[in-house]
Formats: sequence, C-alpha cells, structure tokens
Amino acid sequence: DAGITQSPRYKITETGRQVTLMCHQTWSHSYMFWYRQDLGHGLRLIYYSAAADITDKGEVPDGYVVSRSKTENFPLTLESATRSQTSVYFCASSGQGSDTEAFFGQGTRLTVV
Amino acid sequence: AQKITQTQPGMFVQEKEAVTLDCTYDTSDQSYGLFWYKQPSSGEMIFLIYQGSYDEQNATEGRYSLNFQKARKSANLVISASQLGDSAMYFCAMREVSGYSTLTFGKGTMLLVSP
Repeated sequence: DAGITQSPRYKITETGRQVTLMCHQTWSHSYMFWYRQDLGHGLRLIYYSAAADITDKGEVPDGYVVSRSKTENFPLTLESATRSQTSVYFCASSGQGSDTEAFFGQGTRLTVV
Repeated sequence: AQKITQTQPGMFVQEKEAVTLDCTYDTSDQSYGLFWYKQPSSGEMIFLIYQGSYDEQNATEGRYSLNFQKARKSANLVISASQLGDSAMYFCAMREVSGYSTLTFGKGTMLLVSP
C-alpha cells in the first residue's frame, strides 16, 4: 500500500533499554522527519533527513539517533530510553520545497517505565 | 524565539458559526510556505490548507480559508459553518526555503464545537 507507515503503533519499554521506531514511505519523498508530540509543546522536530545519507538535528535531538541508508526508511533509535522520552512519535515525509505538505504516519505511542 | 505562535490554547464555537484560529510566524526568508493541519482525537495528522508567501490571494479549501497578512506575519485559519466533526487540535506550521527546509509547528489550538 502506498503511504507512510510507522511501527510499532504502541510500545512499552523499560528505562535504559534501546528501542527503535520504524518509518517506511513508498512515495520516494526526499525529506523525512521525526517529531515528538507532548501536551503543551505541540510537535517538536527531533531529526530530519533531506535525502539518503543526509540527516541533521532538529529542536530536541538529545538521546536519539537516526539513520537513512535507503530513501524509503528512516528509523529512530532511543539509545537508552528515559521516562522523559515517553511521548507520541510521528514520522513524516515530503517532497522538496516550501510548497509541499508533509504526510504523516499514524504515530507511535511510546511509554518508558 | 518561537517561529510559529498560536496564542489560543483552546477555542469554543457553536455549530454552524465561523471561527478563526490565530497563527503568527517569524522568518527572514522571502519564500516560505504556511500550512494548517488538523488532529482529531483519533490522533492522525490531516493536512488542511497551504499558503505560499508569494500567493496574492488567500487560500481556500472548502469550508477552510487562510487569512494571510504578510506584513503582519499572520496566517489565521478560518473555518466557516463549524461542524461537530471539526472538534480537534489544529496546528499551524511553516516551511522555509533557506538551507534544509524543515517543517516547524506551533503548539496548537484545541477547538471544541458544541451543538
């Protein structure tokens, strides 16, 4: 199916564990983004990628790692999960240019206990 | 400094009335795009409307219109004839051209439509 999919949809993990959130898009969009959504903060950019092998930090990158070896995949890894990383995570993709909207995945609700 | 400011944490409107959700932005770019997204209680992010910085006319999409005032750096969303299904969180976002064009969001406005 065409679109952007995130997995898992829900995840509970323990403090200190490594966890990877997956994101896959089928449009061959050049740009991909990871956001976290927390009450009172809206969506904050964690990392983004302008193309395969090009990634850069967003507003809140600490504690996260990304990679983009293929255009269609943009996994987000929490190296050692902390309770403050409990959040809803959204992946998005878009074409290049300020006139192109981003398409969002369904979100991953991550709980760190 | 915040690039996107939504000053209304919550708004109430009665069904069939019009409502305006405020958004101001800050950029030094001449070319940029402004977007509004809707997030219902189910959680998905739904794109509503886009306005380009060089567009002379305000964007419209059905019951949604964007009141774009470039000199004031505001991009307010107007929903005409509100429906119960419009109850949701609404986010304003901006995409600049300079450098890598990331998409920056405001904190959102929760809209509740009452019968």
